[in-house]
Order: sequence, then structure tokens, then C-alpha cells
Amino acid sequence: NAGVTQTPKFRVLKTGQSMTLLCAQDMNHEYMYWYRQDPGMGLRLIHYSVGEGTTAKGEVPDGYNVSRLKKQNFLLGLESAAPSQTSVYFCASTSGVNTGELFFGEGSRLTVL
Amino acid sequence: KNQVEQSPQSLIILEGKNCTLQCNYTVSPFSNLRWYKQDTGRGPVSLTIMTFSENTKSNGRYTATLDADTKQSSLHITASQLSDSASYICVVSRTGGGNKLTFGTGTQLKVEL
Repeated sequence: NAGVTQTPKFRVLKTGQSMTLLCAQDMNHEYMYWYRQDPGMGLRLIHYSVGEGTTAKGEVPDGYNVSRLKKQNFLLGLESAAPSQTSVYFCASTSGVNTGELFFGEGSRLTVL
Repeated sequence: KNQVEQSPQSLIILEGKNCTLQCNYTVSPFSNLRWYKQDTGRGPVSLTIMTFSENTKSNGRYTATLDADTKQSSLHITASQLSDSASYICVVSRTGGGNKLTFGTGTQLKVEL
């Protein structure tokens, strides 16, 4: 019973490089989210999806793109990484935002040099 | 502005002692309030979720209370254990669409021998 799985768990990039973080959930959840967590700050929403084929901007979307081609997968892309994107990224999913439990992945630690 | 404030920012207690963490929010319209536990290097894990009509909910040694009138919540930990050392995050949900969660910055709890 995997829940929410994120890959990779760690990555080091140079400024200007691109990469994609993959989030996969096996709970048939409609809602999926990408957050970033920085020291001294609460989790901040980057992008989210309310179903297959849909995406929407969150609180801090600049510099990121997402896609939800399959219901179980939510991809977060960085086209040209910047040092300000050094962070821990968390994916989460839920069956219902109002009452459903929110399940998080284990996080992906990204360092941009 | 929708905000969630937690106190104290950090706390150190001796094993076996009790403690209470606070959460004040200004999120409106209110849907539910959640408490999460986040171990170092891991994703947050749900402890409790309370709707407007619930004023207390327990999960083992964790008891959450909610006063929707004063917009305050507390998380009480009984007979603390070393494994309770973690960050505890308060999350408040608004009614509406898919991105209506506001996260607090967390209380860092350390339980010592």
C-alpha cells in the first residue's frame, strides 16, 4: 500500500538546468497538490489539480509548470532552475478537500547551485 | 487575510510530561481544522480533523480541541514520548474549491529524557 510516492527524493541541479518531479498516488484521489517547504515558513501551494487533465496555479507558481495526464500522476517541472527554488517539495492527494484526509509523500529535496 | 498562527514556535519537555500547542486562525469561511505531525525528513501525517460542529477529537495520546467562536484550537499531548519529537502543523480549510488550505508554520517539539 504505497500511498503517495515522490521521485526523486534528492536532486542537485545547476542554475538553468531543468528537471521534473514525479508524484504518483494509488488511492484513486481526484485532488493532487504540489507544495514547497522552506525553513520558518508554512507549506506553500505551488500548483494543484482537481482531476485528470486539469491544473491550476497556487500561491507561488512562478518558475514551475505541472501536468496531470493520468489521474494517478502529477508532475512538477522546473524549466530553468534558480537558487531560489532550493527547497523541499511535497506532493499530496485527497479524495475531497473539505472533509477528506490529505496524504503527503515523503518529500523531494532539491538543491540548485 | 486568511492566516494560521501557531504558538509556541518551539518547545522542549521531559519525557512523560504533558504539553499543549496552540493554533489561532482567521480563515473564513471555515470548513475544518487539521493537525499534522511531521517527523524530521518526512512528510506530514494526519493526526486529527475537526469540522465546525466538533469541539474535541482524540487520537491515542493526542487530543485536539476547537473553539470555532474564538477561532482557536489546541493540541494536547499526554504522557509524552521521545517519538513525539516532531513539528506539529495546524491546517485550516475554507469551504469552496480545491486550493483552500492554509498552513501554519508549525511548533517544533522536542521531548528529552
